[in-house]
Amino acid sequence: ETGVTQSPTHLIKTRGQQVTLRCSSQSGHNTVSWYQQALGQGPQFIFQYYREEENGRGNFPPRFSGLQFPNYSSELNVNALELDDSALYLCASSGSNEQFFGPGTRLTVL
Amino acid sequence: QKEVEQNSGPLSVPEGAIASLNCTYSDRGSQSFFWYRQYSGKSPELIMSIYSNGDKEDGRFTAQLNKASQYVSLLIRDSQPSDSATYLCAVKRVNKFYFGSGTKLNVKP
Repeated sequence: ETGVTQSPTHLIKTRGQQVTLRCSSQSGHNTVSWYQQALGQGPQFIFQYYREEENGRGNFPPRFSGLQFPNYSSELNVNALELDDSALYLCASSGSNEQFFGPGTRLTVL
Repeated sequence: QKEVEQNSGPLSVPEGAIASLNCTYSDRGSQSFFWYRQYSGKSPELIMSIYSNGDKEDGRFTAQLNKASQYVSLLIRDSQPSDSATYLCAVKRVNKFYFGSGTKLNVKP
């Protein structure tokens, strides 16, 4: 167990809807990163938050947005869901160099 | 060109053998290197990190880094059926992690 938690575990949405995924980082970690993992692929970096500020972003459109709170927990928001957004969404927390993943949220878009 | 390249496999080895997993990366500015193990339907689990050229050993696992060749490898000695999983290579550059697509390892009893 890494101490990183995510909710919900599974989610089913329809195209065009909006979704919010949540992550609690490991105690002592002030950096949270979000990844999208499609079936058979490696995790793709969405963005990273450090002390409540976005600290880096991958090649994802603006409809992917996030927040980090003072307790370093984080949210990933996705607007106008598309079928291709169906994936495992992973949150990872880090304090220094290594990062540790939560269990993930499986999002299915119908 | 992908940031991180891995052979997708599957790599099949008999129980007790050495499994050798390889990874190349494209950017010489990459600073840190990691191996994650991912079981089907689960999230990635960090098994090794390596930051400087050479070998780093942890139990049955040895990570090898060659920055001149932009090459990272993972050796698993005395492979067990429980090692059957997908192994992801990741590199860190500045504040971003880049992952390969993973190599699927099958260890046959």
